[in-house]
Amino acid sequence: TQLLEQSPQFLSIQEGENLTVYCNSSSVFSSLQWYRQEPGEGPVLLVTVVTGGEVKKLKRLTFQFGDARKDSSLHITAAQPGDTGLYLCAGVHSGGSNYKLTFGKGTLLTVNP
Amino acid sequence: GAGVSQSPSNKVTEKGKDVELRCDPISGHTALYWYRQRLGQGLEFLIYFQGNSAPDKSGLPSDRFSAERTGESVSTLTIQRTQQEDSAVYLCASSPRWSSYEQYFGPGTRLTVT
Repeated sequence: TQLLEQSPQFLSIQEGENLTVYCNSSSVFSSLQWYRQEPGEGPVLLVTVVTGGEVKKLKRLTFQFGDARKDSSLHITAAQPGDTGLYLCAGVHSGGSNYKLTFGKGTLLTVNP
Repeated sequence: GAGVSQSPSNKVTEKGKDVELRCDPISGHTALYWYRQRLGQGLEFLIYFQGNSAPDKSGLPSDRFSAERTGESVSTLTIQRTQQEDSAVYLCASSPRWSSYEQYFGPGTRLTVT
């Protein structure tokens, strides 16, 4: 089984702090996505990265794809309570079926006011 | 426009009973996916539809699980003789084309088997 390991599993911070969550694998991915899931809802796609070394920014969120396309990080600047949720990374394995996403277990982020 | 909808939102059933979960994808989306999310786990792929055919059923955990899709619209996931380990949130997603990275998820059905 080709896994995506996410860390930390849980993160509780104060409003205004910065944080980074990680998504790692021993496998190469042709693309990697980050989702945010709120309680009682399905995951919502935040970003897709496809090129090794790629960096994408979405307001206060910065996503990076590792040079070797085996890992990714999500950095949030000046976190707000509205950022609270489960952050999931998901990837399409290089050479695998291009519709099948492998998901990590997620990082549960709580931002306290 | 309307997103992916799923029904029921919650289902409590007794062990051994059959359940049907429904997914209405976004209109015009040809691809449809079912996932299972257990507490503290990531999403587990179950089955993929392209139109009304299912080229990949590899994620279905056992022969108690089956799924159908009518044309490019509604899909039903059926679990027969439910077991307690089937308790999970079942998520449906659709995408506009078969190789799309863009999967749009419904809110899920929370299944509890007592």
